[in-house]
Amino acid sequence: GENVEQHPSTLSVQEGDSAVIKCTYSDSASNYFPWYKQELGKGPQLIIDIRSNVGEKKDQRIAVTLNKTAKHFSLHITETQPEDSAVYFCAASLTNTGNQFYFGTGTSLTVIP
Amino acid sequence: DAGITQSPRYKITETGRQVTLMCHQTWSHSYMFWYRQDLGHGLRLIYYSAAADITDKGEVPDGYVVSRSKTENFPLTLESATRSQTSVYFCASSIGETNTEAFFGQGTRLTVV
Repeated sequence: GENVEQHPSTLSVQEGDSAVIKCTYSDSASNYFPWYKQELGKGPQLIIDIRSNVGEKKDQRIAVTLNKTAKHFSLHITETQPEDSAVYFCAASLTNTGNQFYFGTGTSLTVIP
Repeated sequence: DAGITQSPRYKITETGRQVTLMCHQTWSHSYMFWYRQDLGHGLRLIYYSAAADITDKGEVPDGYVVSRSKTENFPLTLESATRSQTSVYFCASSIGETNTEAFFGQGTRLTVV
């Protein structure tokens, strides 16, 4: 099955700096890559996603890049704010597998005011 | 708009007891999922359902049973709880087309003593 690896496991940045989280996947058939943000005591919530026919996608301060050849994708958060502090999960999904997602192990991001 | 709700939010049970975690969604989403979240493992799929009366195993199904007699409900039962099943359990739902957003509940923290 699919294996998703995520790095780093923890990340601390100063407010206003950028944060980058990287994920790799193993199955070249994966074609959908969502990113979820989980705040303390809550369920994960989708923040951005990218499909395999797109190399980059932006939404305000958040961007995701995908390199299909290398089988890795990254989340970029610019101008970080304290409310960005949370755990972030990447995931990969294979077509025709019942909409199953394979998640990375998570990155705990702390934005220091 | 209630969305997706899980109950109970917290549960302590003894080894060997049967326990059922409830999940209810108000969107009429076709797909529903159960994940467990453990430190160092991220989110792992236990079972999923593509529609009422259709269920299938995920990555870690052993020791769990699910049913889905109605589209809106997807209970997860631990037939004989073990300490290794101590975890945070998340239910999720999605519209049902391939590669669409999954909406997560608030989670149930289960402790098996």
